[in-house]
Amino acid sequence: QQPVQSPQAVILREGEDAVINCSSSKALYSVHWYRQKHGEAPVFLMILLKGGEQKGHEKISASFNEKKQQSSLYLTASQLSYSGTYFCGTERTDKLIFGTGTRLQVFP
Amino acid sequence: DTGVSQDPRHKITKRGQNVTFRCDPISEHNRLYWYRQTLGQGPEFLTYFQNEAQLEKSRLLSDRFSAERPKGSFSTLEIQRTEQGDSAMYLCASSPSTGEQYFGPGTRLTVT
Repeated sequence: QQPVQSPQAVILREGEDAVINCSSSKALYSVHWYRQKHGEAPVFLMILLKGGEQKGHEKISASFNEKKQQSSLYLTASQLSYSGTYFCGTERTDKLIFGTGTRLQVFP
Repeated sequence: DTGVSQDPRHKITKRGQNVTFRCDPISEHNRLYWYRQTLGQGPEFLTYFQNEAQLEKSRLLSDRFSAERPKGSFSTLEIQRTEQGDSAMYLCASSPSTGEQYFGPGTRLTVT
C-alpha cells in the first residue's frame, strides 16, 4: 500500500524551514527520500534504516520511527534549489513503494 | 561516473505497436529497477533484477510487458501491443548493495 505524505504542498520563502511527513500502514525495513524537479528524474537524498536513526545532508535531515512506521524530512533555511516534489520510498522486500509526494516551492 | 542512461528519451508510437526501451546502469551496481511514472504521481514499481536474475515483477504488470537483463549489464523493457494507457515516463534505476537508487533520465512514451 502506498505511503501517505503530508502536507501535499508547501510554499516557503527562502530561509524558512519545512517538515515533510511519510506514514506507512505496513512495517518497514527502510525509508528513502528523493527529490524530483519538473521534467527530471528523481534524485536520491538519503536512506534511513531500522533503528530510529536520524541522518543529515547539508541542511536537510530526516528521522525514521519504525514503531510508528513514520519518517520525517526536515528542510532548514530553505534555498531556491530545494524546490521540487519530494517522495519518500518505503522498502520491504528489496523494492521501493513511493509515497504520494509533497510539492515544495521556495520563493525569493 | 557516467550515471544511468536510457534510450530513447522520447518515443511516439501508434496503438498496437511494440516498443523496446534500453537502460544502461552504473557499471558496478548489481541491482536494476524499472518504474513507470504518470503526471503528478510517484514512480510505480514494475520489476527488478539482481545481476541477470529477474527477482520480482509487479502484479500490476500485464503479460504485454517483459524485461530482460542479459549478462547482468544493460536491461531492456518491451511493451507489446501498446495501449493508450501505457503512455507514461518509464524510469530505470540502478542500485549498489547499500540500497540507494540512482535514476536515469527516463523514456517518455506517447501512444497515439
